[in-house]
Amino acid sequence: SQWGEENLQALSIQEGEDVTMNCSYKTYTTVVHWYRQDSGRGPALIILIRSNEREKRSGRLRATLDTSSQSSSLSITAAQCEDTAVYFCATEGSGGSNYKLTFGKGTLLTVTP
Amino acid sequence: EAAVTQSPRNKVTVTGGNVTLSCRQTNSHNYMYWYRQDTGHGLRLIHYSYGAGNLQIGDVPDGYKATRTTQEDFFLLLELASPSQTSLYFCASSRLGGFYAEQFFGPGTRLTVL
Repeated sequence: SQWGEENLQALSIQEGEDVTMNCSYKTYTTVVHWYRQDSGRGPALIILIRSNEREKRSGRLRATLDTSSQSSSLSITAAQCEDTAVYFCATEGSGGSNYKLTFGKGTLLTVTP
Repeated sequence: EAAVTQSPRNKVTVTGGNVTLSCRQTNSHNYMYWYRQDTGHGLRLIHYSYGAGNLQIGDVPDGYKATRTTQEDFFLLLELASPSQTSLYFCASSRLGGFYAEQFFGPGTRLTVL
């Protein structure tokens, strides 16, 4: 899991395997963003899941959100070498701070041939 | 596609130096953000703005000033740079603040304070 005081998480898998990255968040949110950051580039949104969507799919990506346990996950099916990146979850604040995304520390995913 | 550019891409300065990082977005977005990224810490919000002349304080604002001169341009100022400000800085923009709005990030500026 990539929240709290944990350091950057690292996962290493082989091409073709499935992988799941977890995110636990501390404060109430109605949406979790998942961003991907390739080496030398800024993060880019890959999937967004709202509190009324327990599961969201986009191609080989699948995100889940459990507001009762304040956790989200991102799964990649049949990972490819080009999926190698850092993956961040981010939550939106509520009320007066809904402008703000709070990012987790990230998961470094390495996919090898 | 949304476009956010940053300059310079790399900057080296000395302790006590004066640094300005620039960001421009051409998406007509209202919100702009400055983040810093350090190994193992994810992205931390320094300042943000929801329009020209507006500035809001983020989570790690100490030692930083910012100014939004136009809807397109957002600057981050370090007036007395310290080694603790050595980091990778990202600018981002979004159409809305929150409300499921995607943030679009620039390529980053790597700052080294000696």
